[in-house]
Amino acid sequence: AQTVTQSQPEMSVQEAETVTLSCTYDTSESDYYLFWYKQPPSRQMILVIRQEAYKQQNATENRFSVNFQKAAKSFSLKISDSQLGDAAMYFCAYRYNNNDMRFGAGTRLTVKP
Amino acid sequence: DTGVSQNPRHKITKRGQNVTFRCDPISEHNRLYWYRQTLGQGPEFLTYFQNEAQLEKSRLLSDRFSAERPKGSFSTLEIQRTEQGDSAMYLCASSLAVGTALNEKLFFGSGTQLSVL
Repeated sequence: AQTVTQSQPEMSVQEAETVTLSCTYDTSESDYYLFWYKQPPSRQMILVIRQEAYKQQNATENRFSVNFQKAAKSFSLKISDSQLGDAAMYFCAYRYNNNDMRFGAGTRLTVKP
Repeated sequence: DTGVSQNPRHKITKRGQNVTFRCDPISEHNRLYWYRQTLGQGPEFLTYFQNEAQLEKSRLLSDRFSAERPKGSFSTLEIQRTEQGDSAMYLCASSLAVGTALNEKLFFGSGTQLSVL
């Protein structure tokens, strides 16, 4: 069964600093997709970044980048130059087929001014 | 693009009552998903539609749960004979997917928070 584990329930970072959120997943598939979603207090999930497993190059979106280690089944999110608006719950997600997107339990990120 | 709209935002009901939630996706989106999110957890997939066809419903939590998407536009999720364990946030998401694409961007609504007393 495909599972997603986020081992850090809470993280904090100083404004303008860099933080890395961890995610590991379990799968026997070779081709799949990985995502990071952000959920602010407004409750609306927002896509931060996505990675296709067959691509070796790590995805980047402005201040957000991932470290994708396929063999280790690891998919961490790095947030550079953290801003107050980055404070939210962050969910790592795995998708293999249309039926299912598996989410981790989330990491609550606090940004200190 | 007015986003995905979910109504109501909050619903309080008594155990045994039926409830229905509505989701209005982004107008041109062909896929619509329902998720459930309990406190301290990530969203859990329930069902999804491609246009008006419900392509997966085996993950609905019990036969008390049903969903419809008539005419491929808005969708409703109904829970019959609610139980206290049904208390959760119910999220809707929509996307514009080409063929069997799996990496399309999902746009989520703000959810309906259900409390069963």
